[in-house]
Amino acid sequence: GENVEQHPSTLSVQEGDSAVIKCTYSDSASNYFPWYKQELGKRPQLIIDIRSNVGEKKDQRIAVTLNKTAKHFSLHITETQPEDSAVYFCAASRNTGNQFYFGTGTSLTVIP
Amino acid sequence: GAGVSQTPSNKVTEKGKYVELRCDPISGHTALYWYRQSLGQGPEFLIYFQGTGAADDSGLPNDRFFAVRPEGSVSTLKIQRTERGDSAVYLCASSPSGGSYGYTFGSGTRLTVV
Repeated sequence: GENVEQHPSTLSVQEGDSAVIKCTYSDSASNYFPWYKQELGKRPQLIIDIRSNVGEKKDQRIAVTLNKTAKHFSLHITETQPEDSAVYFCAASRNTGNQFYFGTGTSLTVIP
Repeated sequence: GAGVSQTPSNKVTEKGKYVELRCDPISGHTALYWYRQSLGQGPEFLIYFQGTGAADDSGLPNDRFFAVRPEGSVSTLKIQRTERGDSAVYLCASSPSGGSYGYTFGSGTRLTVV
């Protein structure tokens, strides 16, 4: 089965700085990679995703990169704001069934 | 409904008891998923329904866990003889047809076994 690893487990940055979270996956058949933001006690919310036919996707301050050969993908948040503080999860899935395999999460703290 | 609804939001039960957790997916979504999220961990897949049938139940940890979706909409996750290790947040998600588009999570049920 798929194994997704995520680093770092905790990350603190100053407001305005960038934050990078990295994930690796093991199943070469995985072709969809979403990123979720989860605030304390709330549901996971999709913030950006990427499919295996592209290498990079950007949405305002958030970008995701994918290296299929190396089986790793990363989340980049620029100009961080205190409201970006949350736990971020990466995930990987195949088309079939679409159950997601999640990383263990990164707790991001943006210091004002 | 507008989103995926899960009830109850919190459930405290005694060890050995039986519990049922309910998920009401977005109207018209044929695919429904259950996940379990332990403290400090990512959600872990339990079971996937396409319509009324369980298309993949490979994530259920043991035979104390069972889920049904008799009419292809609401699903119930059933846990027998609960153990303290079952304490977690149980998340439900649905998607329109089993693809990643429109995949939406509910807010979860926090189960505490004492």
